Amino acid sequence: GENVEQHPSTLSVQEGDSAVIKCTYSDSASNYFPWYKQELGKRPQLIIDIRSNVGEKKDQRIAVTLNKTAKHFSLHITETQPEDSAVYFCAASMGYKLSFGAGTTVTVRA
Amino acid sequence: NAGVTQTPKFQVLKTGQSMTLQCAQDMNHNSMYWYRQDPGMGLRLIYYSASEGTTDKGEVPNGYNVSRLNKREFSLRLESAAPSQTSVYFCASSVGQSSYEQYFGPGTRLTVT
Repeated sequence: GENVEQHPSTLSVQEGDSAVIKCTYSDSASNYFPWYKQELGKRPQLIIDIRSNVGEKKDQRIAVTLNKTAKHFSLHITETQPEDSAVYFCAASMGYKLSFGAGTTVTVRA
Repeated sequence: NAGVTQTPKFQVLKTGQSMTLQCAQDMNHNSMYWYRQDPGMGLRLIYYSASEGTTDKGEVPNGYNVSRLNKREFSLRLESAAPSQTSVYFCASSVGQSSYEQYFGPGTRLTVT
């Protein structure tokens, strides 16, 4: 099955700086790559996703890039704010089954 | 529009007891999923239902059973709870083949002693 690795496991950034989280996947057939944000005690919420026919997608301060050849994708958060502090999960799938990374705890320092 | 709802929010069981976690969605989604979340391990798929009338195993199905009661409801049953099943359980739903975006419920925190 699909194996998704996510790095780093923790990330501390100064408010206003950028944060980058990287994920690799094993199954070249995967074609859907969502990112979820989970605040403490809350449910995971989809923040952005990308499909395999697209190399990059942006939504305000958040962007995702995909390199199908290398089988990795990344989340970029610019101009970080305190409300960006959360756990972020990447995932990969080629259909119904999502395989998640272990998560990155992002802390934005004021 | 409540989205995805789950009951109960919290549950404590003794080893060997059984229980059913309930999940319902009001978004007319075709597909529904059950995940467990353990510290440091992300979310792992237990079972999913691609459409009403079908269910399939995910990554960690042992010790669980599911029922897709109708298009709205998807339940997860623990027949004989074990301490290893202590976890937070999330239900999710998606439109289906035209879109795989999954929307999660608020979760059930289960402790097995």
